[in-house]
Amino acid sequence: ETGVTQSPTHLIKTRGQQVTLRCSSQSGHNTVSWYQQALGQGPQFIFQYYREEENGRGNFPPRFSGLQFPNYSSELNVNALELDDSALYLCASSLPWGETQYFGPGTRLLVL
Amino acid sequence: GIQVEQSPPDLILQEGANSTLRCNFSDSVNNLQWFHQNPWGQLINLFYIPSGTKQNGRLSATTVATERYSLLYISSSQTTDSGVYFCAVERPAGTALIFGKGTTLSVSS
Repeated sequence: ETGVTQSPTHLIKTRGQQVTLRCSSQSGHNTVSWYQQALGQGPQFIFQYYREEENGRGNFPPRFSGLQFPNYSSELNVNALELDDSALYLCASSLPWGETQYFGPGTRLLVL
Repeated sequence: GIQVEQSPPDLILQEGANSTLRCNFSDSVNNLQWFHQNPWGQLINLFYIPSGTKQNGRLSATTVATERYSLLYISSSQTTDSGVYFCAVERPAGTALIFGKGTTLSVSS
């Protein structure tokens, strides 16, 4: 059984650019959630995908968007990067409806 | 929205000491998880415990859902226990885990 994987591990972008982060779910999990963790804070929910449809969204602007693919892997896209987007981005996979969420190692994004 | 408060914010221990971390939440939940975040940022699942008591080695957790709190016990702490411990909850029919601000544990030898 493979765990949740994310790529890349680190990324440096400049303000205004666009970025795509990737996540592969744990085997058998059809639900993927994305979280943003700023330095010194707890993770904050961005959105969740279930069977390729957005299934819930946190308080993030539309320039944060996502996709889920038939194999349940997922992408997080962020357009028009701002300095405050610098954070650790975490992906979690689970079965739906209140089940345990398992997190990947994260992608550290630095926006200059 | 639901509020999650963790205490204490920081904890410094000598190796071998025991500790109790607390998580209070403001509404009914159907999912409560405890995580340990290591220095590299990986969130490691410790317990899925929306109610009741569980034990795993030196760690145990208790959630009293009716009183809206959960406790994480660490016994005979080791330096490898250092890191940030997060409590996270999910509302019934919700999708998001809502995290507390964490407890930073430092264990010295």
